[in-house]
Order: sequence, then structure tokens, then C-alpha cells
Amino acid sequence: AQSVTQLDSHVSVSEGTPVLLRCNYSSSYSPSLFWYVQHPNKGLQLLLKYTSAATLVKGINGFEAEFKKSETSFHLTKPSAHMSDAAEYFCVVSDIRGNEKLTFGTGTRLTIIP
Amino acid sequence: GAGVSQTPSNKVTEKGKYVELRCDPISGHTALYWYRQSLGQGPEFLIYFQGTGAADDSGLPNDRFFAVRPEGSVSTLKIQRTERGDSAVYLCASSQSGQGFDEQYFGPGTRLTVT
Repeated sequence: AQSVTQLDSHVSVSEGTPVLLRCNYSSSYSPSLFWYVQHPNKGLQLLLKYTSAATLVKGINGFEAEFKKSETSFHLTKPSAHMSDAAEYFCVVSDIRGNEKLTFGTGTRLTIIP
Repeated sequence: GAGVSQTPSNKVTEKGKYVELRCDPISGHTALYWYRQSLGQGPEFLIYFQGTGAADDSGLPNDRFFAVRPEGSVSTLKIQRTERGDSAVYLCASSQSGQGFDEQYFGPGTRLTVT
């Protein structure tokens, strides 16, 4: 079985300050890990993905995440928050070995304070 | 190119009625997925098609839910005898190959409200 836990349901940061959204995963096999973003009234968009290559993954819009097997974590970071980053963020896991469905976390709502 | 499209965007129905939700995947994508997102939650997997066949339907909540993909392209999610608890946003996604590392592209969803 696979699962993800997003440790914060809501994160607020000031514009221009760093963003940290935390995610821990559980997987029986070597996982693929993703971060998706959902802006209000828009579809889910892939930010970045980890698929057993480099442990530090760079995504769109300046986001990056680091896969840490020893900590079973895949935290999302960005050095400087922008107002347009306000959205719901989902950490997602998928097992490579024949289990193609995505398992989503419960989401973290990111608020940017002007 | 065109992304994943879903129709209708909104559907209001009365308890006990039958509804059909349609998904048009990205052309050439062999894998198609349905998810359900309840208010304040992350999407939950319902069913996955590889071509015309359902490769994994373990997420369908009960036998009132059924999905088809007869020609390996468009898919229809069918809900019989709708209940108020079925109210949610139903999301469709497609991917090129259906492998776990393959990106899934999501449609905008159909918001289903059962009154």
C-alpha cells in the first residue's frame, strides 16, 4: 500500500520569503513522487516529479523538492514566494511496479501575504 | 494541442437519478484515469483504463458506479441511483503509456451536485 501525509493543511508566508511544504510518504516499492498544484477553478498542474534519478528535482516556477529515502520525505521548497503561488498543493505517490494509480495527500493551502 | 476535456462542467441532479460524465483524453494517450475530489480533500482514485479495458477498478465505491471506454479514447463514467454523498468534482486524467512514472494530465473536472 502507498500513502502520503502532508503535514500542514495551511501555510502562510510573506511575499519574497521562502516556502516550505512538507510531505512524508509510505510505499512498498520504489516510489514515483509528484507535486501537483491546483489554482482556484483550474485543473491540476504538475509542478515536478521524482522517478529514481537525481534526488533533488527542479520544477516549474522556481519550485524544487528533495527526495530523502532515510526520512521518507519529499518536501517542496521555493526560495522566494510570489503572489501567484497562492494555491492548493498536493503531494502524490505512485508505485512504479505495476500500480499506476496516483495516491494524493490531503493538500496544503498556501497563502501569500503581501 | 488540446488538453483533456470533460463535459459537462457542472451537473445538478436529483437524488436517485442516473448521470453520465464524459472525458475526452489527449489524442494518442493509451491510459485514462478517473478520480473523485470531495470538498477539502485530495483526489481519490476510482478507475484506470489501459486501452479499452479497465486495468484497475479498485477505487469504485460500489456497484452504482461504472465506467466504459469502448474505443480506447473517450470514456464515460456512469452513476446510477445517485446519492447526496456522490456530490464531488469528478476528474479525468490521461497519460501516454500508463506507467507509474508517466505524467498524468488532468482535465478541469465535472462538478456533480446531487440534491
